[in-house]
Amino acid sequence: KNQVEQSPQSLIILEGKNCTLQCNYTVSPFSNLRWYKQDTGRGPVSLTIMTFSENTKSNGRYTATLDADTKQSSLHITASQLSDSASYICVVSSGTYKYIFGTGTRLKVLA
Amino acid sequence: SAVISQKPSRDICQRGTSLTIQCQVDSQVTMMFWYRQQPGQSLTLIATANQGSEATYESGFVIDKFPISRPNLTFSTLTVSNMSPEDSSIYLCSVEGRDEQYFGPGTRLTVT
Repeated sequence: KNQVEQSPQSLIILEGKNCTLQCNYTVSPFSNLRWYKQDTGRGPVSLTIMTFSENTKSNGRYTATLDADTKQSSLHITASQLSDSASYICVVSSGTYKYIFGTGTRLKVLA
Repeated sequence: SAVISQKPSRDICQRGTSLTIQCQVDSQVTMMFWYRQQPGQSLTLIATANQGSEATYESGFVIDKFPISRPNLTFSTLTVSNMSPEDSSIYLCSVEGRDEQYFGPGTRLTVT
């Protein structure tokens, strides 16, 4: 069964600190992996998208990694800001218009 | 990129009634997608809407409960029919761009 699991479920950190969110997947076939940020009351917004051959991709303070062998991905947030408080969703695509969503990690950044 | 708007942004409805959610995209797209996000859960695909043809529903979702219209390449509606409290969710419209998926802001529905 295609699944995407994220950990931790929730996380609280202090402003300025770094954090890493995890995503493990069992999806076949694999097309690409995406990380989204979803602010409360908003739709998800894309942060990164990685294909099978890509190991790392950055978007500002966000850096995603992908290990296609172990089927793991991580999203690292550097020097967190209050505006980083949101849910982060890992999504794996297994083909055209086929997406498997993780349940997300809810991040809270405190001043 | 694509800019998606949804109406209403939120609503509180009584059980047994129906609500129609509108989704407008600022560019022409072939496929539009409707998702449901229940409290604390991830997104679940309800159906895929093609212009000029019947929507394709995912397992567990039926047309009688969630009728969809797709009259043109920039607009779609999703109706949540005969609502019950279990239908309380965020409903999101989405389109596929060149390399990524774009989402609308969502419609937060509460059924009492």
